[in-house]
Amino acid sequence: QLQLQESGPGLVKPSETLSLTCTVSGGSISSSSYYWGWIRQPPGKGLEWIGSIYYSGSTYYNPSLKSRVTISVDTSKNQFSLKLSSVTAADTAVYYCARQTAVPGHGGIDYWGQGTLVTVSS
Amino acid sequence: DIQMTQSPSSRSASVGDRVTITCRASQSISRFLNWYQQKPGKAPKLLIYAASSLQSGVPSRFSGSGSGTDFTLTISSLQSEDFATYYCQQSYTTPPITFGQGTRLEIK
Repeated sequence: QLQLQESGPGLVKPSETLSLTCTVSGGSISSSSYYWGWIRQPPGKGLEWIGSIYYSGSTYYNPSLKSRVTISVDTSKNQFSLKLSSVTAADTAVYYCARQTAVPGHGGIDYWGQGTLVTVSS
Repeated sequence: DIQMTQSPSSRSASVGDRVTITCRASQSISRFLNWYQQKPGKAPKLLIYAASSLQSGVPSRFSGSGSGTDFTLTISSLQSEDFATYYCQQSYTTPPITFGQGTRLEIK
């Protein structure tokens, strides 16, 4: 059974960089059938896609966050990571890592991490 | 970018009711539409992919339909565990991933 687990600080100071890692177990991150992505949800609000990475290293970012986001993959550790720079209180959210199928006609997000709350506060 | 709009934003219903939630895309997305259920404090769960295909393990009371710009999620007979928030997501052009704003289903 595939599992995804987010890890990283739960509290980040304004203007600093938020860093999270997603560890994938029960399956390989080096599959051509999937994208690996980050999605966040501010308290009481809807889902916002941050960005995704393909096993080859190709990255895709939400245009509204692109200038501040970096997603990378470490296939040797079966992990992918998120860095979001210059954070403000508006970046406070539950951050999910997730697997999206790259199969044409599907594109569903079939596995999610449990989510980790990151609060931006001094 | 393709925008997704759900309606209603919230609704109340009773156990046993038949409920329909609508999702509209800002342009045609063929049948590239997925539905998710999210319960408080939990990650979303994929229910339906490709507009009408039931994800493995999802009860058959859930069904999806539509193509082009208009889609529906139907719960044939609401159960207590179905009270949650539902999101649609287009996969016509993905990445990027775009979600609807969500529909909160509450107990009447």
